[in-house]
Parts: sequence; C-alpha cells; structure tokens
Amino acid sequence: GAGVSQSPRYKVAKRGQDVALRCDPISGHVSLFWYQQALGQGPEFLTYFQNEAQLDKSGLPSDRFFAERPEGSVSTLKIQRTQKEDSAVYLCASSWDSYEQYFGPGTRLTVT
Amino acid sequence: DQQVKQNSPSLSVQEGRISILNCDYTNSMFDYFLWYKKYPAEGPTFLISISSIKDKNEDGRFTVFLNKSAKHLSLHIVPSQPGDSAVYFCAASTDRYGNKLVFGAGTILRVKS
Repeated sequence: GAGVSQSPRYKVAKRGQDVALRCDPISGHVSLFWYQQALGQGPEFLTYFQNEAQLDKSGLPSDRFFAERPEGSVSTLKIQRTQKEDSAVYLCASSWDSYEQYFGPGTRLTVT
Repeated sequence: DQQVKQNSPSLSVQEGRISILNCDYTNSMFDYFLWYKKYPAEGPTFLISISSIKDKNEDGRFTVFLNKSAKHLSLHIVPSQPGDSAVYFCAASTDRYGNKLVFGAGTILRVKS
C-alpha cells in the first residue's frame, strides 16, 4: 500500500527560474490538496482538487502559482519566476472524500 | 490573522507522565478539529479528531478535549512514550469533510526516558 509520494524531495532554484513539483496521491483518492509550510510554521492551504476539478484555489499566493490535475490522479504545482519568499516545504495530501488527509513527505524548495 | 494558535512552541515531559498540548482558535465557524503528528523529513500523519458536537474523543493513549465556549482544545497523551517525541499540529475545518484545513504553528514534544 503506497502512500502519497512527492518528487523531487529537494529542489534548489535560482531566483527567476520556473519549478514544477509533482504529487502522486494514494490510488483512488478523490480529493487532493496542496499546502505550503514555511520554516517554523504550520502548513497553509494553497489549493484543492476533487478529481480533475480545481474547486478552491483561494490560498495560492500569487498568479505565479499554478496547479493542475488533468486526469484526476497525479497533480503538479508549478511556480513561475520563483522568488526567495517562495522557499518552503510544499506538502501534498489526498483523501477519499473525508476529513482524514494523508500527507506526502513534501518537497523542500530553496530559492537562491 | 492566525485563526488557530498553539502558544507553546515546545514541551518536555518525562516518560510515563501525561503530555498536554493546547490549542486555541478564533473562528466560531470551525466545527471539526484534528491533531496531526509529524516526524522530521516526513509529512504530517493524522492522529485523532473531534466534531464540535462532542466535548471528548478518546483513542487508546490519546484523548482530545474540546471546550467550545472557550474556543480551546487540548490533546492528552497518557502515558507518554519516547516514540511520541514529534511536532504536533492542531488543525480545524469549517466542514466535516475537512477541506481547507487551517493549521496551528505546532508544538514540539520531547519525551525524556
């Protein structure tokens, strides 16, 4: 029983570069969430998908952030023209339409 | 505007004693509360939850208490074990299905043997 996986686990980007972070949810999970966790803080909601539909993107901090889940399974979070303040751990979670969200290990993004 | 607050950044407890982790919230629309546990380099894992219609929920060594009038919840771990050493996050949601969880900043628990 594989859990939620994320890749890459670590990413270093130069300011201005674009990055793409991947999330493979638990097979069959309908809901998928992205969170951003800054150092010393709790995770903060970014966006939520139910199957391929993005139902809530109110947490995306700017129009440089874009998420997609075209086939209702794998999801990609893309950040364009990265800035230093984008440095954080990006967590993906999935759930079978319930309150219990299963989290992946996260991708630590460092923008230099 | 922090809607969920964990005011103790860290807590140190002797093995076998009780650990009490506290959480306060400001949004009266929250009706579902969860605790997550996180080890280094891993994602948070669900521990226990409570609906706003209850004031207590118990699962083995873990009990969550909810005081709606005070907008306060707490997690009790009895007895504490060294393997419980981790970061504990309190989270809340405005709907039973837990979409858009709002997290506190976390409390680091150290259980000394």
